[in-house]
Amino acid sequence: KQEVTQIPAALSVPEGENLVLNCSFTDSAIYNLQWFRQDPGKGLTSLLLIQSSQREQTSGRLNASLDKSSGRSTLYIAASQPGDSATYLCAVRGNDMRFGAGTRLTVKP
Amino acid sequence: GAVVSQHPSWVICKSGTSVKIECRSLDFQATTMFWYRQFPKQSLMLMATSNEGSKATYEQGVEKDKFLINHASLTLSTLTVTSAHPEDSSFYICSARLGYSGGATDTQYFGPGTRLTVL
Repeated sequence: KQEVTQIPAALSVPEGENLVLNCSFTDSAIYNLQWFRQDPGKGLTSLLLIQSSQREQTSGRLNASLDKSSGRSTLYIAASQPGDSATYLCAVRGNDMRFGAGTRLTVKP
Repeated sequence: GAVVSQHPSWVICKSGTSVKIECRSLDFQATTMFWYRQFPKQSLMLMATSNEGSKATYEQGVEKDKFLINHASLTLSTLTVTSAHPEDSSFYICSARLGYSGGATDTQYFGPGTRLTVL
């Protein structure tokens, strides 16, 4: 059974800092891994999708990497802004989809 | 922890038929449930937000008459794909929100997903 873990559970940083969010999974037989952003009361917003054959994806200030063999993915956020404050979820797609518990990020002005 | 189930886990149907997918929160009440879909090699995308006792709110580009959502109770939301066609083949997943919007316990719990194949 796939298990997805996100570390840290919460993170608070001053504006402008670069930061890294971590996601680990136990079963490397996956189709893809996604990073999402969740704002309070809202549905998920997809940030980056990495196919199992890929190593990384970039979008603006976001960069996500995938090391399938070690069961790890990282989301790197450069030059963080207060608007980045949200909960970030990773999800692993195999025969079903498994989500991590999320990292609650607060970026202080 | 909170558990969300989906039924069926997979379904194959003929073009033109309707398919109903159920999403249940097993041990908590969810005033809000979300429906998502993921086409092959694409991101999971939000389709609609379902609030118990009221009409669902659909995202842009999602046909409300084709994807009927019913959230008749605090533990059950259903998505019916009407007159399904091969292009509707996708992975559908629901989530149920526990807690109050913006509160410390505002957490979504996800079902395992339903794989729909329309022949």
